[in-house]
Amino acid sequence: AQSVTQLDSHVSVSEGTPVLLRCNYSSSYSPSLFWYVQHPNKGLQLLLKYTSAATLVKGINGFEAEFKKSETSFHLTKPSAHMSDAAEYFCVVRENTGFQKLVFGTGTRLLVSP
Amino acid sequence: DAGITQSPRHKVTETGTPVTLRCHQTENHRYMYWYRQDPGHGLRLIHYSYGVKDTDKGEVSDGYSVSRSKTEDFLLTLESATSSQTSVYFCAISERIGENTEAFFGQGTRLTVV
Repeated sequence: AQSVTQLDSHVSVSEGTPVLLRCNYSSSYSPSLFWYVQHPNKGLQLLLKYTSAATLVKGINGFEAEFKKSETSFHLTKPSAHMSDAAEYFCVVRENTGFQKLVFGTGTRLLVSP
Repeated sequence: DAGITQSPRHKVTETGTPVTLRCHQTENHRYMYWYRQDPGHGLRLIHYSYGVKDTDKGEVSDGYSVSRSKTEDFLLTLESATSSQTSVYFCAISERIGENTEAFFGQGTRLTVV
């Protein structure tokens, strides 16, 4: 079975500084990987997805993620944090067997201070 | 935003009572899902549907049942609510399954069982 580990439950940054949210996965097959964002009391919005076309994936709002097979990682980055980036972020892997359901990490809460 | 509406958005109910949550979509997507979100667990799949009257269990299906009599509606029923079912419930839809396919989420239903 596939799984995903988000290494930090909380990350705090100052506005204008870089953001790094870490995600490691395990998979027996070539995975599909996603990052979703959830703002307070909102649903989940897709930030970006990796589907084997390119290892560096660009998403919305200036976020990007790099797929590193050798490290089984899919870390999310942004060069400069904005106050509106404060939210919870979920790394998600798609199982590539059976129904191919989405498997969620436990989430990382990003706090952005002025 | 994908056309997904969850109702109700908030509900407080007593232990032992039945509760039904509704998910309505206007996208004509084939696949529909119910997840629950709990702190420290991310999102976990309760049930999913791959067509009208075609449903199956997810990883945390005990105590829940679902029905899908129309493409656009997916109902989640708690036959006899328990305090452990206090959670935020999310409905999701996807057009197909496969590595390039993401899911779209509703706004969530916050259920409190007292």
